[in-house]
Amino acid sequence: AQSVTQPDIHITVSEGASLELRCNYSYGATPYLFWYVQSPGQGLQLLLKYFSGDTLVQGIKGFEAEFKRSQSSFNLRKPSVHWSDAAEYFCAVGAGGNKLVFGAGTILRVKS
Amino acid sequence: NAGVMQNPRHLVRRRGQEARLRCSPMKGHSHVYWYRQLPEEGLKFMVYLQKENIIDESGMPKERFSAEFPKEGPSILRIQQVVRGDSAAYFCASSPMGDRDNSPLHFGNGTRLTVT
Repeated sequence: AQSVTQPDIHITVSEGASLELRCNYSYGATPYLFWYVQSPGQGLQLLLKYFSGDTLVQGIKGFEAEFKRSQSSFNLRKPSVHWSDAAEYFCAVGAGGNKLVFGAGTILRVKS
Repeated sequence: NAGVMQNPRHLVRRRGQEARLRCSPMKGHSHVYWYRQLPEEGLKFMVYLQKENIIDESGMPKERFSAEFPKEGPSILRIQQVVRGDSAAYFCASSPMGDRDNSPLHFGNGTRLTVT
């Protein structure tokens, strides 16, 4: 069965600092991988997705993620965090289609 | 250019009552997915519907929960005889072609159900 682990429940970074959110997945074949962001009281917005091809994926709002098959990881990165990036971030895996399995999320706090 | 619309935003029900959650997909989307988010957890898939058809309900609890997506009108997630454990945020998402392509889901803002 598919599963997603986001090891960090909370992360705090200073505005302007770099960010890396970790995501590990369990799936037998090549997965479809996603990162979503959720602001308080809002729905989820897709940041980026990986289906195949280039393992470094660029997304919206300056985010990128790298698929590493050997480590079963799909970590999200941003070189310089803005205060508006404070939100909860979810990694998800799919086996094709939209029946996704989500991680428990990482809450990002940005301090000025 | 409305996105996925869910209502109500907040719903309070006493134990034993019924809860009805509504979802209108984005214009042009005929595939709807329901997910549930329990406190401090990620979203969990519940059901996937196309107009007038349930495609995959493998994530739905076996009792008290049902979903429909009629030819006209919104998709409805219905929870009968609610219990405190049903308290959660329920998200609806839509896509234009469902599982037949790789188009991503568009999520609504959710309905927060509180059972007292």
